[in-house]
Amino acid sequence: DQQVKQNSPSLSVQEGRISILNCDYTNSMFDYFLWYKKYPAEGPTFLISISSIKDKNEDGRFTVFLNKSAKHLSLHIVPSQPGDSAVYFCAASVKAAGNKLTFGGGTRVLVKP
Amino acid sequence: DTEVTQTPKHLVMGMTNKKSLKCEQHMGHRAMYWYKQKAKKPPELMFVYSYEKLSINESVPSRFSPECPNSSLLNLHLHALQPEDSALYLCASSQVPRGDEQYFGPGTRLTVT
Repeated sequence: DQQVKQNSPSLSVQEGRISILNCDYTNSMFDYFLWYKKYPAEGPTFLISISSIKDKNEDGRFTVFLNKSAKHLSLHIVPSQPGDSAVYFCAASVKAAGNKLTFGGGTRVLVKP
Repeated sequence: DTEVTQTPKHLVMGMTNKKSLKCEQHMGHRAMYWYKQKAKKPPELMFVYSYEKLSINESVPSRFSPECPNSSLLNLHLHALQPEDSALYLCASSQVPRGDEQYFGPGTRLTVT
């Protein structure tokens, strides 16, 4: 039972353009969502998070949007840079249930110069 | 210091060996985690330590034995592993064990022969 899904396994985008990564979840108890970036042979790096009481959170080039009614979140990266090429994971948790993160399957992003 | 360190980076062990993975953080975080990540899959939670006490065990086989000697250190003792246990083992920490951002180490690449 995959509670967090990233339906696009890969994404290719031109440098300077916008990258949009999508994530869907099924568990309506999730109230905290995070995006991580992972380079090969490294651990995931925290990028940005959003609480379920918000619908948008922005940090520099990264913006996360949350649509609770659709159980959908997205990560926008603008402008995309070659260094953004990595695997991106969305993750979700239920704050009151402790800090168990449930990860999506990941989306591999390739930013072409 | 926002770093989680893990040693060793790589480990090859036989099925009869006993080895340990180590994780350290000096961010004053009070929650620490072990994850297992297989190739092309998302990280899967194994254990959570909250204030140096085991709070979550995701039905992990007893051949994996976690230990939290103090608030900065987390160990994972390995014994009688199987080849299918070969994976990247990630340690993470967070400020508090309630839906907070988790910061990951680089991982230990384990191969069981």
